[in-house]
Amino acid sequence: AQKVTQAQTEISVVEKEDVTLDCVYETRDTTYYLFWYKQPPSGELVFLIRRNSFDEQNEISGRYSWNFQKSTSSFNFTITASQVVDSAVYFCALSAVLPFSGTYKYIFGTGTRLKVLA
Amino acid sequence: SQTIHQWPATLVQPVGSPLSLECTVEGTSNPNLYWYRQAAGRGLQLLFYSIGIDQISSEVPQNLSASRPQDRQFILSSKKLLLSDSGFYLCAWSGWGPDGYTFGSGTRLTVV
Repeated sequence: AQKVTQAQTEISVVEKEDVTLDCVYETRDTTYYLFWYKQPPSGELVFLIRRNSFDEQNEISGRYSWNFQKSTSSFNFTITASQVVDSAVYFCALSAVLPFSGTYKYIFGTGTRLKVLA
Repeated sequence: SQTIHQWPATLVQPVGSPLSLECTVEGTSNPNLYWYRQAAGRGLQLLFYSIGIDQISSEVPQNLSASRPQDRQFILSSKKLLLSDSGFYLCAWSGWGPDGYTFGSGTRLTVV
């Protein structure tokens, strides 16, 4: 069965520090998709990125970057020069095919709470 | 553009009372719909999903039920709430491809 592990329950950093959030996944699917979502204090989950299993290129978007390593089943997320507005819970998620439908559900890790202190 | 509406935003209910949370999607047809629960300090647990009208699949046995009476409407219900039903409930929709979810704004349920 698919599984996502986010071992870091909570991380605190001082503003402008870099921080990496770890995500390790398990799946037997040969094709799969990985995601990161941000949950600010308001509660609504916001999509950040999707990565498919065939694309191991790292991606950078502003201060955000993602490191996908298939060999270690990891999809880590780094925030460079963190800001107070980055404070949130971050979830990593993995796709799983729904039986008899060909569509998907997504398995979430338990989340990492990031606190950026001014 | 597609939007998802979920209400109410907060709810305080006594133990043993019924529950009805509603979620509707606009701007798309035949979406896949999902109910998740997030207990305090915990991750997201998938409760139900639906790939079509009146097609409901349950992921975990529990005190809750779900219904999809219309294509873009998904309802989470309970006949008698338990204290353990407290949590943050999120509705989400997705298309048929692996594009991830769009989440509603959530309902914070406190059972007292």
